[in-house]
Amino acid sequence: GAGVSQSPSNKVTEKGKDVELRCDPISGHTALYWYRQRLGQGLEFLIYFQGNSAPDKSGLPSDRFSAERTGESVSTLTIQRTQQEDSAVYLCASSPRFADSILRYEQYFGPGTRLTVT
Amino acid sequence: KNQVEQSPQSLIILEGKNCTLQCNYTVSPFSNLRWYKQDTGRGPVSLTIMTFSENTKSNGRYTATLDADTKQSSLHITASQLSDSASYICVVTRGAAGNKLTFGGGTRVLVKP
Repeated sequence: GAGVSQSPSNKVTEKGKDVELRCDPISGHTALYWYRQRLGQGLEFLIYFQGNSAPDKSGLPSDRFSAERTGESVSTLTIQRTQQEDSAVYLCASSPRFADSILRYEQYFGPGTRLTVT
Repeated sequence: KNQVEQSPQSLIILEGKNCTLQCNYTVSPFSNLRWYKQDTGRGPVSLTIMTFSENTKSNGRYTATLDADTKQSSLHITASQLSDSASYICVVTRGAAGNKLTFGGGTRVLVKP
């Protein structure tokens, strides 16, 4: 079946512009995560959505970053007034439900959006 | 502080040889530990996942071990193939909710013919 998709695959923008990144999770997956991966570095958690619960925004690096998700469908990550340090690959992942200690559910990752801020 | 440390940062091995990657963590409370493979330009793909009570898990030529007492895990690759060239990421989940993940920096493996 279809996996997690992200668009665009590549985005080049000028410093100071706003960008919007899109993630389409696997149908039926209630949990959705956004991560950032700078060149040669590990993944950084940004934000987590679970169903209709309030999102966990604890990983967002600044108030220039925001994300939305309507129900259990598509999510958008918005970066306002982009800076050069925002250049990274932004990865989205979805899970079918909470992963607890008994029921273990994998995160399925999309291919990412490579953002370059010039 | 919740941390996941991986070693080595990178390694080069010859096709057909075995290798072992290490992961040490200080995450608490521990829920589960996962190993992911990330090909260049792609999203991570899950290899194994282990809870506290599991000490080994295999997925084809990949075998992960977990010692919850010493908070160490390893990923062993048997009879490496060129397609094993990738970054391998250790991820530890803390808490029962499962949404608090700590990622290691990854080990970059290059398999040469």
